[in-house]
Amino acid sequence: QKEVEQDPGPLSVPEGAIVSLNCTYSNSAFQYFMWYRQYSRKGPELLMYTYSSGNKEDGRFTAQVDKSSKYISLFIRDSQPSDSATYLCAMSANSGYALNFGKGTSLLVTP
Amino acid sequence: DAGVTQSPTHLIKTRGQHVTLRCSPISGHKSVSWYQQVLGQGPQFIFQYYEKEERGRGNFPDRFSARQFPNYSSELNVNALLLGDSALYLCASSLPSSTDTQYFGPGTRLTVL
Repeated sequence: QKEVEQDPGPLSVPEGAIVSLNCTYSNSAFQYFMWYRQYSRKGPELLMYTYSSGNKEDGRFTAQVDKSSKYISLFIRDSQPSDSATYLCAMSANSGYALNFGKGTSLLVTP
Repeated sequence: DAGVTQSPTHLIKTRGQHVTLRCSPISGHKSVSWYQQVLGQGPQFIFQYYEKEERGRGNFPDRFSARQFPNYSSELNVNALLLGDSALYLCASSLPSSTDTQYFGPGTRLTVL
């Protein structure tokens, strides 16, 4: 079993929909949680960074971490076609150390 | 400010050859990490360097090696290339602070024939 599980999708939604992306993990030592967005054949771009449990909001994006369930989520409100990309969750036990990534979820937002 | 830069962008090699990939971190960042991303998968950690010292190594064979230079740039070397080494190689840099995050470059796409 991989330490980080993420449904690869693809996930297709109409423009304006609320998107929910999720990851589960098995290593209880993970404390730092990130979401990256990756466009085709490009490097990952950091979207959200959260330490420990709780919620964090940035514009249309909200990240949630539930350490008791070992479950993290990313919500995208008012989704746009430009949000079409692969979304990668990543986590680590120690700040600045090796990141453990999920497989990524492919999202398509249709006009 | 310029982001993380990597060179070359694309590379085609044949089995058994050697390859060197280069990375320049964001100005002020002292830590560099290397990841391998095979098509359809998330990035896998290969190495991390901080202040020219190896700080971590992932589950990769000894054919993979890296180093960091005094200006904090880094090289990833892969010997005796295999077909399975075909991937996007990503470099990420970060500050050495307690809440640092890793910022990725565009990657080098390596194809082994």
